[in-house]
Amino acid sequence: GNSVTQMEGPVTLSEEAFLTINCTYTATGYPSLFWYVQYPGEGLQLLLKATKADDKGSNKGFEATYRKETTSFHLEKGSVQVSDSAVYFCALSANQGGKLIFGQGTELSVKP
Amino acid sequence: NAGVMQNPRHLVRRRGQEARLRCSPMKGHSHVYWYRQLPEEGLKFMVYLQKENIIDESGMPKERFSAEFPKEGPSILRIQQVVRGDSAAYFCASSPRGSGHSYEQYFGPGTRLTVT
Repeated sequence: GNSVTQMEGPVTLSEEAFLTINCTYTATGYPSLFWYVQYPGEGLQLLLKATKADDKGSNKGFEATYRKETTSFHLEKGSVQVSDSAVYFCALSANQGGKLIFGQGTELSVKP
Repeated sequence: NAGVMQNPRHLVRRRGQEARLRCSPMKGHSHVYWYRQLPEEGLKFMVYLQKENIIDESGMPKERFSAEFPKEGPSILRIQQVVRGDSAAYFCASSPRGSGHSYEQYFGPGTRLTVT
C-alpha cells in the first residue's frame, strides 16, 4: 500500500543552520507530494507541494524537489529561524478523492 | 474568507459518553475529510465526505464512529460510548474538489478530545 517515511526527530538546530528533513514514499502511479507544518496547539498548514516528477515546491525559504527515481521529497531550508520551530509532516495523495497519507512527523527545534 | 472552523476546540468526556465534533468547511468547499492524530503519532485518514454522501470511510473504526455532512450545516463526527483510547486530536480539512489528487486540503485547528 501507499506509505510515507520521514526521518525521526526531534531535530535541534542553531539559528541560521541548514535544515534537511528526509522523506521517502511508496506509492503506485504518480502521487502528489506535500509538506505540512504544525505549530504548537494549531492545525496543519500547507507549506509546499509538488504534483509531478522533478517539480520543485518552495515557500518561505523552504524547498523540496519531487524525485521519482529515488521516491523522495526531502525538505530543505538554507537558514532556519527560531520561528521555524514546529512539527513538519510529509504527505502524499495518490487516489481519487485526494485523501492524504502522512508520515509520522518530524519535530524541529531551533535555538537562538 | 473564514478558514475551516471546528468546535469545540477542547472536549472532555467520561468513558461511555458520546462525543460530537463539528466542522464547517471553507466557503465554497464541498469536500470534507476527517483525520485523527493520536499522541506521538502522525495523522491518520478517517473518512471523506461530500454533501450528503460518504465517499470513502476506509479509515473509520468499524464500531462506535460515524460521520455525516448534511445538505445544510456542518459536518459531524460522532463517537459513541467513548473509551480512553479515543483521546486524540481530530482534524477536519476541506477542499473545493476531491477528484484529481492535487487539490489542496485546508485544515481546521482541531478538536482535542480527552476521555476520562
